[in-house]
Amino acid sequence: GQNIDQPTEMTATEGAIVQINCTYQTSGFNGLFWYQQHAGEAPTFLSYNVLDGLEEKGRFSSFLSRSKGYSYLLLKELQMKDSASYLCAVRDLGTYKYIFGTGTRLKVLA
Amino acid sequence: GAVVSQHPSWVICKSGTSVKIECRSLDFQATTMFWYRQFPKQSLMLMATSNEGSKATYEQGVEKDKFLINHASLTLSTLTVTSAHPEDSSFYICSAIPDSQETQYFGPGTRLLVL
Repeated sequence: GQNIDQPTEMTATEGAIVQINCTYQTSGFNGLFWYQQHAGEAPTFLSYNVLDGLEEKGRFSSFLSRSKGYSYLLLKELQMKDSASYLCAVRDLGTYKYIFGTGTRLKVLA
Repeated sequence: GAVVSQHPSWVICKSGTSVKIECRSLDFQATTMFWYRQFPKQSLMLMATSNEGSKATYEQGVEKDKFLINHASLTLSTLTVTSAHPEDSSFYICSAIPDSQETQYFGPGTRLLVL
């Protein structure tokens, strides 16, 4: 079966670091994606991991371990504008569809 | 790069009318596009996969005669909500995948309100 798990909500303080975890189970794996979605808006692409390891992109980094079916999104130097939902998704190798987690709502407090 | 547009961004219509939503990839070609629907505070729900030059593949529970999808070119897919009813009111979002890439890029979404 296909399943993606991520925490429902997280709260962090402005300027801090937060790590959002994602575990997945799929019948075939073709990469893991992170998207950011602000309330009332469409998702925007953050990162794509297909190989194990850490991908850094400015304040955001994404990590993947294929053997563990695990990924995390690391946000540094949090800003108020980072308050949003963060969606973890994998692309199923068989159907080529994207399977999304329910998203993690991050609240950044002043 | 990888910009996807949707038009209109907002539409309000009367029950029973049809509404067409356009999804365009502005700076790349996309053989495959997806159509999603999202209700408030809920997850994205995949409605259908749109492939250029062939019939769309609909997810279970999505009526193909109600949600007509046409992918006539490598940069345009349209979703027509036929005989719209208030329960069709939702946020409709398309996405497109640049050919030879894996990442899908989302359009800004279309908010539909059926009165």
